[in-house]
Amino acid sequence: AQKITQTQPGMFVQEKEAVTLDCTYDTSDPSYGLFWYKQPSSGEMIFLIYQGSYDQQNATEGRYSLNFQKARKSANLVISASQLGDSAMYFCAMREGSSYKLIFGSGTRLLVRP
Amino acid sequence: DGGITQSPKYLFRKEGQNVTLSCEQNLNHDAMYWYRQDPGQGLRLIYYSQIVNDFQKGDIAEGYSVSREKKESFPLTVTSAQKNPTAFYLCASRNSDYGYTFGSGTRLTVV
Repeated sequence: AQKITQTQPGMFVQEKEAVTLDCTYDTSDPSYGLFWYKQPSSGEMIFLIYQGSYDQQNATEGRYSLNFQKARKSANLVISASQLGDSAMYFCAMREGSSYKLIFGSGTRLLVRP
Repeated sequence: DGGITQSPKYLFRKEGQNVTLSCEQNLNHDAMYWYRQDPGQGLRLIYYSQIVNDFQKGDIAEGYSVSREKKESFPLTVTSAQKNPTAFYLCASRNSDYGYTFGSGTRLTVV
């Protein structure tokens, strides 16, 4: 069965520094997609970045980059130059190939210190 | 602007009552999803629909029901059979491999 694991319940980072949020996944489907979402206290889910299983290069979106290591089944999110507004819950998710269901990890709460 | 509208934002239910959460989208997306989120937890899939008049159970469908009579609408009913319905409910739609759009959610509380 497909599974997403986020092992860091909470993380601290100093403003302007980089931080890595860990995500590992498990699937037997060769076609899948990996996502990162940000959820502020308001509850909305904000899409950050996407990586397809066949993409050769790591995805980047502004200050966000996804460190995709297919053999290790990891998809870590790197946030560069952290800002106070980055404080939120962060969820890693995987799209199942055939049903297009999104499966979520348990999340990491990031707190950016001034 | 296109998007997903969930209503109401806050909902209070007495024990033993059924309640219906609304989810409407004007994005012309075929697929729609309902997720439940408990405090400090990730999202769990309740039901999903790939096309009008068709839907499938997700991982935690017991105590919930849905309908998909129109492309734009995917209402979720929380029945009295759901033993612990207090949670945050999120609706989403999809138009591509990575084009998922989420609503702003409904917070349901049993009183």
